[in-house]
Amino acid sequence: EDQVTQSPEALRLQEGESSSLNCSYTVSGLRGLFWYRQDPGKGPEFLFTLYSAGEEKEKERLKATLTKKESFLHITAPKPEDSATYLCAAQKGGNQFYFGTGTSLTVIP
Amino acid sequence: DAGVIQSPRHEVTEMGQEVTLRCKPISGHDYLFWYRQTMMRGLELLIYFNNNVPIDDSGMPEDRFSAKMPNASFSTLKIQPSEPRDSAVYFCASSLVRGGHNEQFFGPGTRLTVL
Repeated sequence: EDQVTQSPEALRLQEGESSSLNCSYTVSGLRGLFWYRQDPGKGPEFLFTLYSAGEEKEKERLKATLTKKESFLHITAPKPEDSATYLCAAQKGGNQFYFGTGTSLTVIP
Repeated sequence: DAGVIQSPRHEVTEMGQEVTLRCKPISGHDYLFWYRQTMMRGLELLIYFNNNVPIDDSGMPEDRFSAKMPNASFSTLKIQPSEPRDSAVYFCASSLVRGGHNEQFFGPGTRLTVL
């Protein structure tokens, strides 16, 4: 069964305390692994797409990596404005997308 | 560009009533997606269109749900009759697929409550 699982469900960090979010996927024929950020009451906002194992992408304090079974979103020295829910999604053949339930990140000043 | 526009933002209705959700995608985008988000199941893809044609509706939960895209700038998701378990946030997203890249831009969502 095609599935995406994110962990942890919730994460509280002190400002400046680096950590990683995990996204495990069992999707056959993966075409892309996407990361989105979602703020309360808003739609998801695109962050990254990764296409092959070993690929890495960075944006400010965020870095996403991909292996054949999982992806990590590394947050370096987070700030309170990084607080949000982070979603990952796996794209199968065609344009079928499977989303995880997200990790709710809270960064405490 | 104004981004993806959805209306209404909030909808409260009674069980058995018809509900219509509306979406205006970003101009020039060739794909449109409808999602449903709940705490328990997260974001679920319901249906997507390519150039106004429905491609995959395997995520539509049952025959009470239907979606149309009469032109490139408008789509609707209809639930008839509505049930309390349909309560969720419904998102519309659009994308322009080039070279296999499919970065979706989401609207603000419609929060549906069925009493």
